[in-house]
Amino acid sequence: QKEVEQNSGPLSVPEGAIASLNCTYSDRVSQSFFWYRQYSGKSPELIMSIYSNGDKEDGRFTAQLNKASQYVSLLIRDSQPSDSATYLCAVADDYKLSFGAGTTVTVRA
Amino acid sequence: EPEVTQTPSHQVTQMGQEVILRCVPISNHLYFYWYRQILGQKVEFLVSFYNNEISEKSEIFDDQFSVERPDGSNFTLKIRSTKLEDSAMYFCASSVPGNGGNTDTQYFGPGTRLTVL
Repeated sequence: QKEVEQNSGPLSVPEGAIASLNCTYSDRVSQSFFWYRQYSGKSPELIMSIYSNGDKEDGRFTAQLNKASQYVSLLIRDSQPSDSATYLCAVADDYKLSFGAGTTVTVRA
Repeated sequence: EPEVTQTPSHQVTQMGQEVILRCVPISNHLYFYWYRQILGQKVEFLVSFYNNEISEKSEIFDDQFSVERPDGSNFTLKIRSTKLEDSAMYFCASSVPGNGGNTDTQYFGPGTRLTVL
């Protein structure tokens, strides 16, 4: 079983601040990484995918990947109350995803 | 925008009964998956399905579980004799084959909440 670990939450940030989420994974050969957002009682919703080392930006979200350190992170800039959710890190193993336990983010207005 | 749909949204059943959860994947997708999430726990992979056969399954996916694509649009998960511990959210997902060796994105349906009494 491939292990995916996320920094334990909950993470509380003020509106407008940066939220930083971290994820490490155990399988060195993993090539595909995803961040999903999950609101309470809802399904995972894709935020970003990242495949190559470095940064990938999409709007207020930036994913960072370091395969040598087996580390992937997500930054949420200018956090909004609507960003309050659980963020799931997922690592692909062939065509299945292994998920972390999630980090719950609360954005304080 | 195309999306994965699932029915029913909530299923209540008695222990030992059979249930069938239904999914309609995104129309041009070729890979289909079932995941489950027990309340307060991680999302867990159950099974992947491609070209009308199971491509991978987890230890959770024992003989009580089966999947089927009965026609060109539906993808079903059957649990033959439900147990209390089968109570969970069940998510269907679909994807297209990845390019250049990368796994393409899996899109999740809204889920079916299964409650076994």
